[in-house]
Amino acid sequence: DAGVIQSPRHEVTEMGQEVTLRCKPISGHNSLFWYRQTMMRGLELLIYFNNNVPIDDSGMPEDRFSAKMPNASFSTLKIQPSEPRDSAVYFCASSGTGAHEQYFGPGTRLTVT
Amino acid sequence: DAKTTQPPSMDCAEGRAANLPCNHSTISGNEYVYWYRQIHSQGPQYIIHGLKNNETNEMASLIITEDRKSSTLILPHATLRDTAVYYCIVRVGYRDDKIIFGKGTRLHILP
Repeated sequence: DAGVIQSPRHEVTEMGQEVTLRCKPISGHNSLFWYRQTMMRGLELLIYFNNNVPIDDSGMPEDRFSAKMPNASFSTLKIQPSEPRDSAVYFCASSGTGAHEQYFGPGTRLTVT
Repeated sequence: DAKTTQPPSMDCAEGRAANLPCNHSTISGNEYVYWYRQIHSQGPQYIIHGLKNNETNEMASLIITEDRKSSTLILPHATLRDTAVYYCIVRVGYRDDKIIFGKGTRLHILP
């Protein structure tokens, strides 16, 4: 298995632009998680889905952030409009039913100028 | 989820055993202890988990005290590739639920 796949790996954009991050979970996994990592705040959970349904989005910072999971093999995290403080590494992770471990993707490094 | 306390950093000589402590004095009876690590610029990686008994896998050993208020992750023969931030987490297992990461321990393996 290729593991969790994220794209793009790096994204540089200007303030005010829309940014879309993509994630393909491991086949057969039914839970998907979006995390953000910054030096100041560390690793924090933004939102997670179970069977394509959002379960907890309390970590989504504000209305500029939205996430979707249209099917079991694809999820997006969108920021519109982007701001410099959104600069961070965004990780996607997935896990299977009853599994203890989450598998993380390589992350997308976002820079908003 | 219960809170954990870890030292911010540790050093270990290459080839020696690295022992990383974690305090979780408020752990509940149904909460597991998990360890993840994050090597620079990579996503976190699951290492091991346990409930009450000591556990061992190909990566590490986990020693949990009898009162479950603390645990130690042991990397038996540390290599330079084990340099990473190690996170100790407690949470209810067998749930598709979120992980709350603390600051972890930054482990430096010295050549």
